[in-house]
Amino acid sequence: SAVISQKPSRDICQRGTSLTIQCQVDSQVTMMFWYRQQPGQSLTLIATANQGSEATYESGFVIDKFPISRPNLTFSTLTVSNMSPEDSSIYLCSVPAGQGVNYGYTFGSGTRLTVV
Amino acid sequence: GNSVTQMEGPVTLSEEAFLTINCTYTATGYPSLFWYVQYPGEGLQLLLKATKADDKGSNKGFEATYRKETTSFHLEKGSVQVSDSAVYFCALSEGFASGGSYIPTFGRGTSLIVHP
Repeated sequence: SAVISQKPSRDICQRGTSLTIQCQVDSQVTMMFWYRQQPGQSLTLIATANQGSEATYESGFVIDKFPISRPNLTFSTLTVSNMSPEDSSIYLCSVPAGQGVNYGYTFGSGTRLTVV
Repeated sequence: GNSVTQMEGPVTLSEEAFLTINCTYTATGYPSLFWYVQYPGEGLQLLLKATKADDKGSNKGFEATYRKETTSFHLEKGSVQVSDSAVYFCALSEGFASGGSYIPTFGRGTSLIVHP
């Protein structure tokens, strides 16, 4: 299955600033997913990023706050804009581990964001 | 809609104890079921999976059996080690005829702490 390199691994940011998180996959994948994991909570899907089209955002997440780029089949970025302390979370990217529902998903190692 | 319910944690055990983490699900069709593990400071890793009723997934001494009659997928291990300390997530994925994304549904995670 694919290997994902995600960076930065962690950051401490001032409120009002923006942070861009990058995920590089070692193979071409059609779909990439971005998740937020708040402390002690499960994963919440932010958006699905497909190459060559606009990302599809889940309820409660908007493009102005979480713009996503997907310039090719191996790379994507998620920006957390105009940050507030409530944005402190772990952010994870993910891709399908194979073709079809039975293969599960591969995850990046996560970006631990603290907003002060 | 689909949902996954896991037992609340943390689960605290002594080394070599028997582990059970309960997971039940609701789904509209016939999902594939997964357990993921998240070690401290890392992303999620696929631990095991089962794709149809009565299948048993196994890996690293962990097992889970897909029980359609009870809609359950409980995780078990006969003798836990300190290195098993992590957060465990139960998840399901269901395919859609439209060819849309197989976005998984995650439980909220169960923290396991194993003492020497």
